[in-house]
Amino acid sequence: EVQLVESGGGLVQPGGSLKLSCAASGFTFSGSAMHWVRQASGKGLEWVGRIRSKANSYATAYDASVKGRFTISRDDSKNTAYLQMNSLKTEDTAVYYCTRQRGDSSSPPFDYWGQGTLVTVSS
Amino acid sequence: QSVLTQPPSVSGAPGQRVTISCTGNNSNIGTGYDVHWYQLLPGTAPKLLIYGNNNRPSGVPDRFSGSKSGTSASLAITGLQAEDEADYYCQSYDSSLSSWVFGGGTKLTVL
Repeated sequence: EVQLVESGGGLVQPGGSLKLSCAASGFTFSGSAMHWVRQASGKGLEWVGRIRSKANSYATAYDASVKGRFTISRDDSKNTAYLQMNSLKTEDTAVYYCTRQRGDSSSPPFDYWGQGTLVTVSS
Repeated sequence: QSVLTQPPSVSGAPGQRVTISCTGNNSNIGTGYDVHWYQLLPGTAPKLLIYGNNNRPSGVPDRFSGSKSGTSASLAITGLQAEDEADYYCQSYDSSLSSWVFGGGTKLTVL
């Protein structure tokens, strides 16, 4: 059974940092591109960023709204992806989902999703 | 403002057919990138509903179908059921933004 389990969410003050984890099982994690997608309350899905597999040099890409503040990494030995969030803003408040992309290129869909973890940025 | 445009809401009676449109441009759908559709039920993780414009993952009823033409795509749901009440999102890739993009989402209400 495929599972993606996010953890690490919580309440953080503006300007603070938080690191989310996404533990994967049930598929070949090391060969998969992993993405983070968020959804603010009452809003739509928003792509955050991606990390490719080792075969593609662990290349990362980010949405303009988080570039320079967020960093995605992975540990294939632990089947875990991470989202390091720095300089957090109130507008980063959202449920953060990790998701696997079926193939490691532009077009394939996001076929497996976690349940999400809530990040609240507030003073 | 989402790169892909969807109607905020659609509705239909049980048994009826509804369609949800997804309009992009020549940097995303019109360039040939695939369109995928996701279903979000309240309190649950997004679920892949249609991939590669018109393909259904295993387990998705054939009441759900997708199509794509030019810079737009559509999701059709026939034989509406109460359990179909959810939010639906289209998704593609945008080459000018170099990012994955979603539609703004459409809330389906089954009357």
